[in-house]
Amino acid sequence: KAGVTQTPRYLIKTRGQQVTLSCSPISGHRSVSWYQQTPGQGLQFLFEYFSETQRNKGNFPGRFSGRQFSNSRSEMNVSTLELGDSALYLCASKVGQGGEKLFFGSGTQLSVL
Amino acid sequence: ELKVEQNPLFLSMQEGKNYTIYCNYSTTSDRLYWYRQDPGKSLESLFVLLSNGAVKQEGRLMASLDTKARLSTLHITAAVHDLSATYFCAVDPNNTDKLIFGTGTRLQVFP
Repeated sequence: KAGVTQTPRYLIKTRGQQVTLSCSPISGHRSVSWYQQTPGQGLQFLFEYFSETQRNKGNFPGRFSGRQFSNSRSEMNVSTLELGDSALYLCASKVGQGGEKLFFGSGTQLSVL
Repeated sequence: ELKVEQNPLFLSMQEGKNYTIYCNYSTTSDRLYWYRQDPGKSLESLFVLLSNGAVKQEGRLMASLDTKARLSTLHITAAVHDLSATYFCAVDPNNTDKLIFGTGTRLQVFP
């Protein structure tokens, strides 16, 4: 069974640009979450989608948005990039709701210059 | 503000020794997770603890949860070099699948 796939693996952007990251969950998984990992702030929750609906949102500005498609694939968009957005963005999926194991993708390393 | 604190932040230990990583959190949570991250890699799920008193073991790692004390431990028995990684705990205080991660404990096992 294929794992969680994130594309691209690396991305370099400049301030003010926008970026879209993609996540394909494990087949059969309907919940997709996004996390930001930085050396300073650690791992922080961005948002979670289940069956195309955003169920939870973290404390990030409105420049961070996401969506989920009917095949459970998810995208995350960051507009008007700032230097502080440089981070590893991790996507995770699981089957449904409740206390289950989260399966993480390899992440997208975003560098904002 | 919810805080999830791990200690120690850095642990250097000799192969064959035992040690415990502690995870304290500041609000009630019935769900606690442990993850492992190798340098430059993603997170790998180790344990999911869903009730007070839960204990899970796999190989040289054993995790436990005391929800009343708001404390989880990850015990390492007879450490080997392959266990070198960063270990994170995470809580889900409102059972909403919004995980709050700890600071991480970087473990180095040397011969």
